[in-house]
Amino acid sequence: EAQVTQNPRYLITVTGKKLTVTCSQNMNHEYMSWYRQDPGLGLRQIYYSMNVEVTDKGDVPEGYKVSRKEKRNFPLILESPSPNQTSLYFCASSAGLAGLPRYEQYFGPGTRLTVT
Amino acid sequence: DQQVKQNSPSLSVQEGRISILNCDYTNSMFDYFLWYKKYPAEGPTFLISISSIKDKNEDGRFTVFLNKSAKHLSLHIVPSQPGDSAVYFCAATVYTGANSKLTFGKGITLSVRP
Repeated sequence: EAQVTQNPRYLITVTGKKLTVTCSQNMNHEYMSWYRQDPGLGLRQIYYSMNVEVTDKGDVPEGYKVSRKEKRNFPLILESPSPNQTSLYFCASSAGLAGLPRYEQYFGPGTRLTVT
Repeated sequence: DQQVKQNSPSLSVQEGRISILNCDYTNSMFDYFLWYKKYPAEGPTFLISISSIKDKNEDGRFTVFLNKSAKHLSLHIVPSQPGDSAVYFCAATVYTGANSKLTFGKGITLSVRP
């Protein structure tokens, strides 16, 4: 089954404790992206990756890191989480075509993060 | 600055009737538009899209209309079914942009009453 998986689905942590949210897709997609969803703000892009070893900032990258060492995995790293990073996070992927992503992105089920 | 606006936070319609979800955008560079549907505790799923070279795209019960001059698009669902109850996000992008990222609206919660 074609899918994007995220782990963990729920996480409660404390300020400053480093954490990683994993994202994996089994569709051989080139393009992957991280979004956060906050009430009244919709979905906002954090980081994206056009291909292995190619990553770039989205609209709200502060406080986050990513890496793309393998095509299927795109982990989101919070080196020192703060309460304003409490949010619902989605990983997404889409097939690339000559370096351009298709826009019909497949989303993971989401990770609800609470930072106290 | 919200470049993609979904000004109505919610919509309630009777089963079998038409649902019309509206979306406005401000960035004239956007040339590709998508609608996503999201159920609680799930990620958004792609529903339908439209390129700026078209003014209508249809897929079964779902039709998206694009009015470029008004920078407005709408999603029509006919007939509406209770299973359509979900949050609907409008998204827009510049098709050949280097990032090609999607800019999302805030979403509209659709409730279809049996």
